[in-house]
Amino acid sequence: NAGVTQTPKFRVLKTGQSMTLLCAQDMNHEYMYWYRQDPGMGLRLIHYSVGEGTTAKGEVPDGYNVSRLKKQNFLLGLESAAPSQTSVYFCASSYFVSGEQYFGPGTRLTVT
Amino acid sequence: AQTVTQSQPEMSVQEAETVTLSCTYDTSESDYYLFWYKQPPSRQMILVIRQEAYKQQNATENRFSVNFQKAAKSFSLKISDSQLGDAAMYFCAYSQTGDMRFGAGTRLTVKP
Repeated sequence: NAGVTQTPKFRVLKTGQSMTLLCAQDMNHEYMYWYRQDPGMGLRLIHYSVGEGTTAKGEVPDGYNVSRLKKQNFLLGLESAAPSQTSVYFCASSYFVSGEQYFGPGTRLTVT
Repeated sequence: AQTVTQSQPEMSVQEAETVTLSCTYDTSESDYYLFWYKQPPSRQMILVIRQEAYKQQNATENRFSVNFQKAAKSFSLKISDSQLGDAAMYFCAYSQTGDMRFGAGTRLTVKP
């Protein structure tokens, strides 16, 4: 049981480049989430999904897109990276909307 | 929008003593969920304790307990018999429909 995994663990991008972060969970959870964590701040929700084929905006969705084509995967895309998107990105999943969220190890993204 | 406030950026406790971390939140909802998460230097987010707003009884998990005051919108975490392994960032979080909001965190130092 791997839990929640994230690929890649580190990435450096130049301004304007695009990339996709992959989150995978093997717990058959319905709900999946993408957060970003900046220094001195708590996690902020970017987008989330309440089931396969569905997505919803969180607190800070601008500049990001997501897709949930398979129940176990949740992809976060940056179409044109900006230095303001330098952050640590966490993926999480949960079985119930009110339940514990299980987090991945995080991806450190630097945009220069 | 719901907001979560942690007014103590840093706290310190002597090993084996008790410490209380504060959290307040703002919501107009009556049914919601509150969480405390721990983030050690490894960066992994770990659930410490969870509270349903409709339950009057305060949640307890071993050395961790909460003081939930619904009318005051307060949700503090008490750590008893503090251990060196408790040193971490602690985040308070609010969720109602999956759109989880985190506070900015409290850094807890445990002195031997």
